[in-house]
Amino acid sequence: SQTIHQWPATLVQPVGSPLSLECTVEGTSNPNLYWYRQAAGRGLQLLFYSVGIGQISSEVPQNLSASRPQDRQFILSSKKLLLSDSGFYLCAWSLERGGNTQYFGPGTRLTVL
Amino acid sequence: GQQVMQIPQYQHVQEGEDFTTYCNSSTTLSNIQWYKQRPGGHPVFLIQLVKSGEVKKQKRLTFQFGEAKKNSSLHITATQTTDVGTYFCAGPTSGTYKYIFGTGTRLKVLA
Repeated sequence: SQTIHQWPATLVQPVGSPLSLECTVEGTSNPNLYWYRQAAGRGLQLLFYSVGIGQISSEVPQNLSASRPQDRQFILSSKKLLLSDSGFYLCAWSLERGGNTQYFGPGTRLTVL
Repeated sequence: GQQVMQIPQYQHVQEGEDFTTYCNSSTTLSNIQWYKQRPGGHPVFLIQLVKSGEVKKQKRLTFQFGEAKKNSSLHITATQTTDVGTYFCAGPTSGTYKYIFGTGTRLKVLA
């Protein structure tokens, strides 16, 4: 069966510090991978998605970046965090072919102070 | 760009009352998905509708896809405290593998 892992679960970082959130998927090959951000009490904002290694599509211009160094690994990064980067970061995967279910990881709650 | 709106944004109901959330897309959708997010949790897939006018049921939950494939609804009969959470619809963007999520409806059930 497939599983998706995200870490850390919670993170408190000062403004201006770097960020690295990691997501890994097990039990499937060549998944589509997604990073979403959810502000408190709000909807899901798609940040990045990837259909293969090294292929990243950015949805919202911002000070975040994403990388996919391996087939089932998706990393969200920032060189300098802003207060507005606080939120709930969710990684998700879906099967290679579009139109299928998205399976979400447990998420990372990021607070930037 | 494509937008997916949901109403209402919030709904408080007494346990045992019915609940409905509506999802409206600015463009025609090839399919629509519904997710539930419990407080503090992550979204979990509920169902996918594909056909125009399709109706699917899961116990007390009834999902409907509009004839024009631009709107959808989720109806919960006789709500229970376990139904608490935020319900999102999501529709695919044409020619890509990404889905646009609706704004969500947060349901609170009062015992």
